[in-house]
Amino acid sequence: GQQLNQSPQSMFIQEGEDVSMNCTSSSIFNTWLWYKQDPGEGPVLLIALYKAGELTSNGRLTAQFGITRKDSFLNISASIPSDVGIYFCAGSDTNAGKSTFGDGTTLTVKP
Amino acid sequence: KAGVTQTPRYLIKTRGQQVTLSCSPISGHRSVSWYQQTPGQGLQFLFEYFSETQRNKGNFPGRFSGRQFSNSRSEMNVSTLELGDSALYLCASSPDPNRVLSYGYTFGSGTRLTIV
Repeated sequence: GQQLNQSPQSMFIQEGEDVSMNCTSSSIFNTWLWYKQDPGEGPVLLIALYKAGELTSNGRLTAQFGITRKDSFLNISASIPSDVGIYFCAGSDTNAGKSTFGDGTTLTVKP
Repeated sequence: KAGVTQTPRYLIKTRGQQVTLSCSPISGHRSVSWYQQTPGQGLQFLFEYFSETQRNKGNFPGRFSGRQFSNSRSEMNVSTLELGDSALYLCASSPDPNRVLSYGYTFGSGTRLTIV
């Protein structure tokens, strides 16, 4: 089955630093999604990518859909304490109502 | 606009029992997906419903089942509960499967199921 490898597993950074995390897949996906999950809550969609090579920004967040359609990265610039949480990548096929999720990257930001 | 509502938020059951979890999607959303989240396995897809029909199913045993009603509300049922079924069960809704690409999913806060 499809699998996503998300790295790093966890990150401990200082407030103000930039963050980078990525996902690779053994399969091609037509859509990449990035989510953030706070404790006790469901994941919240941050960025959706639909085209290979696409680069999309949402405030301090930037994500790219890899050319091979087998990878994606998420960058967070100038991190702040509220960026703390678990970040998930997810791949989705064209017409499926299901996504394959990575294992998540746990981000800790020290003030 | 109300979000995705899952009930109950917390549930404790014993091995061998069965459980039913409920998910009310965002008004107007017709697609509902269910995921199991555990520390060891991450988010695993269970099934997806659209217009009362199951469109996709993940790799879970037959003890896990679901259904969707005409008002798009969905329930999932787990029979003969095992300790390993302890998890956060999340549902997510979207306007329809073909618009997942534009909207992704909106997740509920989940039901925390503990099996003792």
